[in-house]
Amino acid sequence: NAGVTQTPKFRVLKTGQSMTLLCAQDMNHEYMYWYRQDPGMGLRLIHYSVGEGTTAKGEVPDGYNVSRLKKQNFLLGLESAAPSQTSVYFCASSISRGSVDYGYTFGSGTRLTVV
Amino acid sequence: GENVEQHPSTLSVQEGDSAVIKCTYSDSASNYFPWYKQELGKRPQLIIDIRSNVGEKKDQRIAVTLNKTAKHFSLHITETQPEDSAVYFCAASITGSGNTGKLIFGQGTTLQVKP
Repeated sequence: NAGVTQTPKFRVLKTGQSMTLLCAQDMNHEYMYWYRQDPGMGLRLIHYSVGEGTTAKGEVPDGYNVSRLKKQNFLLGLESAAPSQTSVYFCASSISRGSVDYGYTFGSGTRLTVV
Repeated sequence: GENVEQHPSTLSVQEGDSAVIKCTYSDSASNYFPWYKQELGKRPQLIIDIRSNVGEKKDQRIAVTLNKTAKHFSLHITETQPEDSAVYFCAASITGSGNTGKLIFGQGTTLQVKP
């Protein structure tokens, strides 16, 4: 049982390049989330999904797209990276059907630098 | 939407003293309030949570209190130890049928426990 796995762990992009971050969970969780963490700003929600095939915008969605084609995977895409997207990205998942445990399980994070 | 404010941003205490971190939230419908601890370079880890039908919850040296009327909740750490040094985040969400369970986080508090 690996929990929540994020790939890659580190990445350096040039401005204008694109990339996809992968989040995979093996806990049969219904909900998945993408956050970015910047110093002094806490964790800000980018996009989230409440089930396979569904996605919704969070607090800071601009410049990002997401897809959840399979229940266990949640992909975060950057179409044209900008230096302002330099950040640490965390994926999280929560809640199984029939459970009342709403706590998140976080992935280990992806440190992205855009130069 | 929900907004969570967290204070102080930094907190320094002597080993053995108590530490208190406070958060306020804006959406009176929020009913789930977790606290996360994040050590340097690691992922956030859930340390304690409270639901809106409870005023206080304890787990060994940590406790959380909730004042729904004032829309604020606090984390209390007693007998602090150097290993308590970390960044602490509060969060709030609306859970239950039909809701997303998405967490909105505070800005974080860096706690330093001096030996």
